[in-house]
Amino acid sequence: DAGVIQSPRHEVTEMGQEVTLRCKPISGHNSLFWYRQTMMRGLELLIYFNNNVPIDDSGMPEDRFSAKMPNASFSTLKIQPSEPRDSAVYFCASSLARGISTSGSETDTQYFGPGTRLTVL
Amino acid sequence: AQKVTQAQTEISVVEKEDVTLDCVYETRDTTYYLFWYKQPPSGELVFLIRRNSFDEQNEISGRYSWNFQKSTSSFNFTITASQVVDSAVYFCALRKGQGAQKLVFGQGTRLTINP
Repeated sequence: DAGVIQSPRHEVTEMGQEVTLRCKPISGHNSLFWYRQTMMRGLELLIYFNNNVPIDDSGMPEDRFSAKMPNASFSTLKIQPSEPRDSAVYFCASSLARGISTSGSETDTQYFGPGTRLTVL
Repeated sequence: AQKVTQAQTEISVVEKEDVTLDCVYETRDTTYYLFWYKQPPSGELVFLIRRNSFDEQNEISGRYSWNFQKSTSSFNFTITASQVVDSAVYFCALRKGQGAQKLVFGQGTRLTINP
């Protein structure tokens, strides 16, 4: 089975340009997460969706960032305009969120894509 | 608020040595989940294990083992007979409750296994 797919894998752009990162979650998963990894802040959540609806966007740094999930198999993270401090690796993850369970089964585990390394010059 | 602390920034050992990576967490939730992920030099994040707060049994998978102790809020990871391929950054993460919830990551421990 295909894992989480992200594109592009690498993006180099100039300050002020618009950047769009794309993610295709694992088929059948109903939750999608965008994380950012930097040396200074580590791995932090930007936004996540459940059943295509944004649930928590408190991690989105500012209005320059926006994310959409038009359907269950596609999400985008857009930065407009981009700035050098946006340089980071952006990860997309997906999971199958179920109801209450104490069985210890592997529900709700987030599986990550390969990431997009963004460099803003 | 939730917090994960991995106090060991970097560890370097010689191949075949055993090594333990520490993870201490903070949460007020009674239901929560703990995870370990591996990030090899290629950069992807690979899921290793998940544990829920109701299950304190230790887990062993080949050379990997995990020790979950609620009394000390710790979820430590031990690699036995380490190999060069184990070299990576390892992240401990915490998630509350069930369903769609975010992961809170520790800062990671960079493990280098020298031949």
